[in-house]
Amino acid sequence: QKEVEQDPGPLSVPEGAIVSLNCTYSNSAFQYFMWYRQYSRKGPELLMYTYSSGNKEDGRFTAQVDKSSKYISLFIRDSQPSDSATYLCAMVPNDYKLSFGAGTTVTVRA
Amino acid sequence: KAGVTQTPRYLIKTRGQQVTLSCSPISGHRSVSWYQQTPGQGLQFLFEYFSETQRNKGNFPGRFSGRQFSNSRSEMNVSTLELGDSALYLCASSRGIGQETQYFGPGTRLLVL
Repeated sequence: QKEVEQDPGPLSVPEGAIVSLNCTYSNSAFQYFMWYRQYSRKGPELLMYTYSSGNKEDGRFTAQVDKSSKYISLFIRDSQPSDSATYLCAMVPNDYKLSFGAGTTVTVRA
Repeated sequence: KAGVTQTPRYLIKTRGQQVTLSCSPISGHRSVSWYQQTPGQGLQFLFEYFSETQRNKGNFPGRFSGRQFSNSRSEMNVSTLELGDSALYLCASSRGIGQETQYFGPGTRLLVL
């Protein structure tokens, strides 16, 4: 079993819809939680990071962490075609060895 | 501010050869990490360097090695290439130790024939 499991997708949503992305993890040592966005043929781009349970908002993006359930989510409100990309969750434990989910490909239809 | 740059962007090698990839971090960043991305395994951590010292290493064979120079630029080397080494190799930099706020380069796409 992988340390980080991410909903595989792909997801296809109409413009303006809410996109919900989810990851679960098994390692209690994970301290930091990040979401990256990766466009085709580009490197991942850091969207958000957090280190505590609860919600964190940044514009149309909300990251949610539930450490008791070992579950993190990313919500994208008012989705745009430019949000079409692969989204990766990532987690850092005490030893700083970053672990990534497999990624979820999202397509926002105009 | 310039981002992370990686050279070359594309590379074709044959089995048994060796390859060296280069990464220049964002100015002022002292930590450089390397990752391998494949469709089957996703993004996997290779190693991290800070101030010319390897701080962390992932679960890859000894054929994968790296180094960091005094100007924070980094290189990774893969010797005795195998077909399975075909992947996108990504470099990421951060200001200090820790990987929660690191910035990725565009990657080097390596094809091993």
